Amino acid sequence: GIQVEQSPPDLILQEGANSTLRCNFSDSVNNLQWFHQNPWGQLINLFYIPSGTKQNGRLSATTVATERYSLLYISSSQTTDSGVYFCAVERTSGTYKYIFGTGTRLKVLA
Amino acid sequence: DVKVTQSSRYLVKRTGEKVFLECVQDMDHENMFWYRQDPGLGLRLIYFSYDVKMKEKGDIPEGYSVSREKKERFSLILESASTNQTSMYLCASSLGSWGYGYTFGSGTRLTVV
Repeated sequence: GIQVEQSPPDLILQEGANSTLRCNFSDSVNNLQWFHQNPWGQLINLFYIPSGTKQNGRLSATTVATERYSLLYISSSQTTDSGVYFCAVERTSGTYKYIFGTGTRLKVLA
Repeated sequence: DVKVTQSSRYLVKRTGEKVFLECVQDMDHENMFWYRQDPGLGLRLIYFSYDVKMKEKGDIPEGYSVSREKKERFSLILESASTNQTSMYLCASSLGSWGYGYTFGSGTRLTVV
């Protein structure tokens, strides 16, 4: 089955710093999502991005499907950005069933 | 705002009990999902439903069943709870068409003693 690897596994930043999180996947995928899980466990969908680039405020994401990776950029990080970031890929088109990576745990220090 | 509501935030049950976890969405979504999340293992799909009374097994269905009698409600049933089912359970829903992502509930942390 598809393998989804995220790097780095852990990241500590000072408030205001920028960061790039990476998601590699081992096979062609049709859909990809990025999520943020806050310290209370709530998962929030950040981007639905099977290809191309999207931006939402200080966050942006790029997926290069032909090269099997996606990047999540966080600019001017804030303490509220802390938590775990997951990417998830749809293993078979049209099933809406996603396989999740193991996440990048981000801590932003004030 | 789109909402997925899980009935309990924390639950403690005894080994052997039958346990019901409820999930309700108010977005008229076709698809609903149950995942469990464990440290080091990430999120794993238990069951999935793409329509009322329809269900599909995910990666780890053993020891679980599901029920979807109405479009807005998707229940996860632990037939006979065991300690290895202690976990965080997450419900999600999505539209049944391309181009839309998941919306997750806030999770139920289940402890089986």
